[in-house]
Amino acid sequence: SQQGEEDPQALSIQEGENATMNCSYKTSINNLQWYRQNSGRGLVHLILIRSNEREKHSGRLRVTLDTSKKSSSLLITASRAADTASYFCATDDLWQLTFGKGTKLSVIP
Amino acid sequence: NAGVTQTPKFQVLKTGQSMTLQCAQDMNHNSMYWYRQDPGMGLRLIYYSASEGTTDKGEVPNGYNVSRLNKREFSLRLESAAPSQTSVYFCASTIERLAGDTDTQYFGPGTRLTVL
Repeated sequence: SQQGEEDPQALSIQEGENATMNCSYKTSINNLQWYRQNSGRGLVHLILIRSNEREKHSGRLRVTLDTSKKSSSLLITASRAADTASYFCATDDLWQLTFGKGTKLSVIP
Repeated sequence: NAGVTQTPKFQVLKTGQSMTLQCAQDMNHNSMYWYRQDPGMGLRLIYYSASEGTTDKGEVPNGYNVSRLNKREFSLRLESAAPSQTSVYFCASTIERLAGDTDTQYFGPGTRLTVL
């Protein structure tokens, strides 16, 4: 299994600051995805980055992928209290996604 | 367009009881998945169905069975519940899978199951 590992496990920041989360994985991938989970809810897809892409943007989200280091980062700029959630990276493993344990982000108003 | 729906939202069982968790999607997706999520853990795949009529085991299939009833519905059955199956269960679906690729998954709201 090439489970992604997020770092840090927990992150607490002030509203307006940027939040950076990292994901490392073990073997080659076709794509890497990031998901958000609000407390008590299902996961919501944020962004998918393919192995031939280095950076991708979506609104206040910026994802980078470094396949040589087998790592990805998710940057949330100008954070808001509503960004408080757990964030998971997921790597593809043939027909499946394998999820990491997540980073719990708390944005303090 | 409801997306992925799951029933029930909450369930309490006694050890040895059986139950079926229901999942349906209205997005005409081919592939469907069942995960479990335990505290401090990521999601672990129980079973998946690449297309109507096919099912395959995931990482943690023991103690579970599944049925892909039609393209819309994918159910998860616990034949004899155990306390170790206390968890939150999520169903997900995805659009066409390309060979060797994995597309965005859409998740249901989850079922919180407690086995006493």
